[in-house]
Amino acid sequence: DSGVTQTPKHLITATGQRVTLRCSPRSGDLSVYWYQQSLDQGLQFLIQYYNGEERAKGNILERFSAQQFPDLHSELNLSSLELGDSALYFCASSAMTSGGRGEQFFGPGTRLTVL
Amino acid sequence: QKEVEQDPGPLSVPEGAIVSLNCTYSNSAFQYFMWYRQYSRKGPELLMYTYSSGNKEDGRFTAQVDKSSKYISLFIRDSQPSDSATYLCAMNPIQGAQKLVFGQGTRLTINP
Repeated sequence: DSGVTQTPKHLITATGQRVTLRCSPRSGDLSVYWYQQSLDQGLQFLIQYYNGEERAKGNILERFSAQQFPDLHSELNLSSLELGDSALYFCASSAMTSGGRGEQFFGPGTRLTVL
Repeated sequence: QKEVEQDPGPLSVPEGAIVSLNCTYSNSAFQYFMWYRQYSRKGPELLMYTYSSGNKEDGRFTAQVDKSSKYISLFIRDSQPSDSATYLCAMNPIQGAQKLVFGQGTRLTINP
């Protein structure tokens, strides 16, 4: 168990809908990362937050957005869903302190199916 | 061309064999190199973390980095059926910052 929690485990929805994925980082970790894993693209970085502020962006679609709250949990919002958004969505966290090594620890993921 | 290339396999070996998994990369800015293990329908689990060139050993696992060749390897000695999983290499240019760039993952099966 990495200490990173994600809810829900599974999500089935229809095209055009909006969903919210939730992540709680490991205790003490300030940095949260979101990744998308699909069969054809592998694990792709979406976005990073550090202590409530956006720090880095990857190939995240404009229909997707994220935020990190004062208690450090993060939410990934996916809207106007398309069939191609079906994938595993992982959250990872790291300490990212000056003395830390910055390893990223992954949660169990949310499996999103868009019908 | 992808920044990180990894043979997706599948790779199937008998129990007790030495397994060699490899990745090549194109971005010379990568400084930190990781190997993750991912069981089916689970999140990636960090196995090894190395900085720059050299070797690192942890139990049955050895990670090697050759920056001059832009080539990293993971060796598994005395492989066990419980090692059956997908192994992903990952790397980033700055400690603890920004994105990890992953290889496609190699699916490994250890046969009893």
